[in-house]
Amino acid sequence: TQLLEQSPQFLSIQEGENLTVYCNSSSVFSSLQWYRQEPGEGPVLLVTVVTGGEVKKLKRLTFQFGDARKDSSLHITAAQPGDTGLYLCAGSAESGTSYGKLTFGQGTILTVHP
Amino acid sequence: DSGVTQTPKHLITATGQRVTLRCSPRSGDLSVYWYQQSLDQGLQFLIQYYNGEERAKGNILERFSAQQFPDLHSELNLSSLELGDSALYFCASSATGHPTDTQYFGPGTRLTVL
Repeated sequence: TQLLEQSPQFLSIQEGENLTVYCNSSSVFSSLQWYRQEPGEGPVLLVTVVTGGEVKKLKRLTFQFGDARKDSSLHITAAQPGDTGLYLCAGSAESGTSYGKLTFGQGTILTVHP
Repeated sequence: DSGVTQTPKHLITATGQRVTLRCSPRSGDLSVYWYQQSLDQGLQFLIQYYNGEERAKGNILERFSAQQFPDLHSELNLSSLELGDSALYFCASSATGHPTDTQYFGPGTRLTVL
């Protein structure tokens, strides 16, 4: 069974601070995705990383995929109250009977105070 | 709006009952996924269909079943419901079901079992 451990589980910060969320596994994934979910809605994809060592930037968000494709991080610079939400990482199985299956981390609840 | 629709939005029922959740994928998407999200288990993959055929299976109980119809909409049937089945159920769709495909999530169905 592929597991993704996400940390921290809760993060409460002031507007303007930086933060990093981590996603770790002992399994190798073909791709790693980051989602943001708001209350009462489904997760919305932020980014997909597929190459070991890959770094992607989306405005103030920086996503990194580990060289061995077992871990990832999400860094937010100068957080804003609008960044508040549940952040989920999800890994896609490489092959076999789990083809196309996404394994989700437990999520990080981020609260950014004005 | 992801383009994925789910009905109903809320469902309240009693233990031992049977319910059907419905999902319509985004136009053109051939693959449908079902997920369960609860506070203690997080977001868990249940099952995936591609063009009417089962593609991958996750932590789906034997009391649960799903199918994808020729028009590509999907239904998730939950029977002999227990209190612990109370959760948010999400449907997602993707173009081909490939691991690197973007999965677009619907707004979810909140099931409450009393």
